[in-house]
Amino acid sequence: AQSVTQPDIHITVSEGASLELRCNYSYGATPYLFWYVQSPGQGLQLLLKYFSGDTLVQGIKGFEAEFKRSQSSFNLRKPSVHWSDAAEYFCAVGYEKLTFGTGTRLTIIP
Amino acid sequence: KAGVTQTPRYLIKTRGQQVTLSCSPISGHRSVSWYQQTPGQGLQFLFEYFSETQRNKGNFPGRFSGRQFSNSRSEMNVSTLELGDSALYLCASSQTSGVAKNIQYFGAGTRLSVL
Repeated sequence: AQSVTQPDIHITVSEGASLELRCNYSYGATPYLFWYVQSPGQGLQLLLKYFSGDTLVQGIKGFEAEFKRSQSSFNLRKPSVHWSDAAEYFCAVGYEKLTFGTGTRLTIIP
Repeated sequence: KAGVTQTPRYLIKTRGQQVTLSCSPISGHRSVSWYQQTPGQGLQFLFEYFSETQRNKGNFPGRFSGRQFSNSRSEMNVSTLELGDSALYLCASSQTSGVAKNIQYFGAGTRLSVL
């Protein structure tokens, strides 16, 4: 069965600081991996995806993620966060359907 | 191009009632998936419809059902509502079935409160 673990429930960073959100997955074959962001009262917006090829993928809003098969990880990074990045972030894996992690809530302090 | 539209945005029902939620996918998208989001269980896959046929189903009781029309619009029905059905129900559309190499676009959701 496929599963996703996001070990950090809540992260607080200062505006302008770098960010890394952790994601570990369990999947029986080549994983299809995604990061979504959800702002309060909103649906999910796709930040980036990994299907194959280059293990460092670039997404929208200056986010990137690195796929590491040996560690079963797909961590999300951003070099400098903005106050508007405050939201909940979900890692997901799937082929026929998406299985989501429990999410990481990101708080930005001035 | 208009995004995924879910109606209504908010619903309040009482236990035992039934409810129908609607989802209009992005024009040209033929697949619609439904997810339930709760604080305790997180985001869970309910089912997927593609070309009016249910393609995949999650682990939910039979009280949860859905259908898709020829114009790809989808409805989700929950019968005999329970307090635990209170959740944000999200609909996602994609061009074809499955998520592999196929991006799902989400609507803003319908917030269901069961009293």
